Amino acid sequence: DAKTTQPPSMDCAEGRAANLPCNHSTISGNEYVYWYRQIHSQGPQYIIHGLKNNETNEMASLIITEDRKSSTLILPHATLRDTAVYYCIVRPLNSGYALNFGKGTSLLVTP
Amino acid sequence: GAVVSQHPSWVICKSGTSVKIECRSLDFQATTMFWYRQFPKQSLMLMATSNEGSKATYEQGVEKDKFLINHASLTLSTLTVTSAHPEDSSFYICSARSDRYKNIQYFGAGTRLSVL
Repeated sequence: DAKTTQPPSMDCAEGRAANLPCNHSTISGNEYVYWYRQIHSQGPQYIIHGLKNNETNEMASLIITEDRKSSTLILPHATLRDTAVYYCIVRPLNSGYALNFGKGTSLLVTP
Repeated sequence: GAVVSQHPSWVICKSGTSVKIECRSLDFQATTMFWYRQFPKQSLMLMATSNEGSKATYEQGVEKDKFLINHASLTLSTLTVTSAHPEDSSFYICSARSDRYKNIQYFGAGTRLSVL
């Protein structure tokens, strides 16, 4: 799986958009970008994934640059419950292997 | 999304005893299940990969005789920590993947193990 780079921590005011960046400059053509988050003392939660087109679901939006070397996860209206560690992971869609978690970005949403 | 149930959520045991943790996929058949361990302020570390009906594949440094994994059906995997010691105290998390859900891994809520 390609390596990813994320900032170790970020702050965001409640109600504002949280934009979490991820660099994956060595991504291969068949690799997707996945985002998970882990709220303290809970198991990781799947958020969204995409290949090259922007994706949106009820939780977040994923913006992938045209060259696919970086992406941004957007939480449009952050709440205190969005405080968590966010992981960006790059891997093939049909990979049967386990997710490899890096250090992620610790997002703190403040009142 | 799919639901993965993990039980118990918290367990305390005496040193030398064994503890079993269950992981169930509630609304789908899991092609593969994974077991992770997480120490405080660290990221998840993969312990083993388990396919139904076959022996688990352990990561380097994980003792297969200490961490027994059974994957008897497509919806249930168990992790047994044998002869637990205080250094085994950790947060254990299982996950499951299915072709039905585009191979997305869904995670259980985790089990906090404290060995006294």
